[in-house]
Amino acid sequence: GAVVSQHPSWVICKSGTSVKIECRSLDFQATTMFWYRQFPKQSLMLMATSNEGSKATYEQGVEKDKFLINHASLTLSTLTVTSAHPEDSSFYICSVSERGRTYEQYFGPGTRLTVT
Amino acid sequence: GQNIDQPTEMTATEGAIVQINCTYQTSGFNGLFWYQQHAGEAPTFLSYNVLDGLEEKGRFSSFLSRSKGYSYLLLKELQMKDSASYLCAPMDSNYQLIWGAGTKLIIKP
Repeated sequence: GAVVSQHPSWVICKSGTSVKIECRSLDFQATTMFWYRQFPKQSLMLMATSNEGSKATYEQGVEKDKFLINHASLTLSTLTVTSAHPEDSSFYICSVSERGRTYEQYFGPGTRLTVT
Repeated sequence: GQNIDQPTEMTATEGAIVQINCTYQTSGFNGLFWYQQHAGEAPTFLSYNVLDGLEEKGRFSSFLSRSKGYSYLLLKELQMKDSASYLCAPMDSNYQLIWGAGTKLIIKP
């Protein structure tokens, strides 16, 4: 399977500030990257799908101006939570799909965001 | 609509066998994944079934019946480290994974 890293693994920020989370595919070229959010004891919620070099596709109900996604290269995607609020506190996880294998997703270790 | 149905929680004994069932309804179907998720961690891939039948991989096996919209994950020789949530995730016609809340498996000595 693929090796995916996320940075930071956890972050605490103050309300109103912005936080950037990086997702890196370490050993293959990821044509597609996914960003998920998971609240405690709940299912994974897909936030957006990003393809390298193009704009991300956001799921219904996800504010694209609040959750900025950039997929600048085949190995890096970033999620920026702008003007964070306490309700944005969650576990953010990225996953990647390998070129030519769109069905299999490999997950990063996740980033736990706490907004105070 | 799209729907996943799994038991919320199951308990089993170390060394035993447990079967976690999953029924699903999706718009189209492109296979079904099982993932394991330990508390506070991201999911890890366990198996993928796209054709009917049983796929065996070590202590874990996964079964699929497309006509019944049914899958199960079978875990043998349970170990304490198998305590985790198990997520059944079918893939719809748009190659999007549909996620349920998963089954929390508790292993007792």
